[in-house]
Amino acid sequence: NAGVTQTPKFRILKIGQSMTLQCTQDMNHNYMYWYRQDPGMGLKLIYYSVGAGITDKGEVPNGYNVSRSTTEDFPLRLELAAPSQTSVYFCASSKSGTGGFDEQYFGPGTRLTVT
Amino acid sequence: TQLLEQSPQFLSIQEGENLTVYCNSSSVFSSLQWYRQEPGEGPVLLVTVVTGGEVKKLKRLTFQFGDARKDSSLHITAAQPGDTGLYLCAGGRGSSNTGKLIFGQGTTLQVKP
Repeated sequence: NAGVTQTPKFRILKIGQSMTLQCTQDMNHNYMYWYRQDPGMGLKLIYYSVGAGITDKGEVPNGYNVSRSTTEDFPLRLELAAPSQTSVYFCASSKSGTGGFDEQYFGPGTRLTVT
Repeated sequence: TQLLEQSPQFLSIQEGENLTVYCNSSSVFSSLQWYRQEPGEGPVLLVTVVTGGEVKKLKRLTFQFGDARKDSSLHITAAQPGDTGLYLCAGGRGSSNTGKLIFGQGTTLQVKP
């Protein structure tokens, strides 16, 4: 199993450009998450999904959009990129969602710079 | 907003020393997870504690969940350079079926040989 894969690993965007961060998991997990990680700030939840066709906002959703058409894929869309979106983005998945008891498996991250 | 505060934020020690990292909140959590993250990689789960007062050991690492389930600690005995990394605590809510976690801001540990 590859686990959770993310592409690209690095990207530089100009202000106002758009892009999609790809995330795929091969563990048949229903639950998927997008986080951003800024220095000294831990992980902040952007969006999450509890199954194909179901998504919801996390703590910091502004400027982002997601879709979940299959169990495996959970792309994150950035529209009109801003410097404040410079960050490292992590996708994660878990088998169940009950009470935070389940392990979240993380991808290797996408390092995005907006200039 | 539930907050998890980790302390210290940065720790630099010599190989062989002991250390403790703290994770505190004013809110009750149903579970507390500890993750370790190496540079350029995603976090990897170390342990999950779910019962107040619970203690779990993973080789030289000892994890404890506070009696009131509002805080947790990670103690490393005889630290080694391989322990270097970012340690993150994350709390889960029992009432949630979404799997959402609240993460602390992390503790960066540097162990010098």
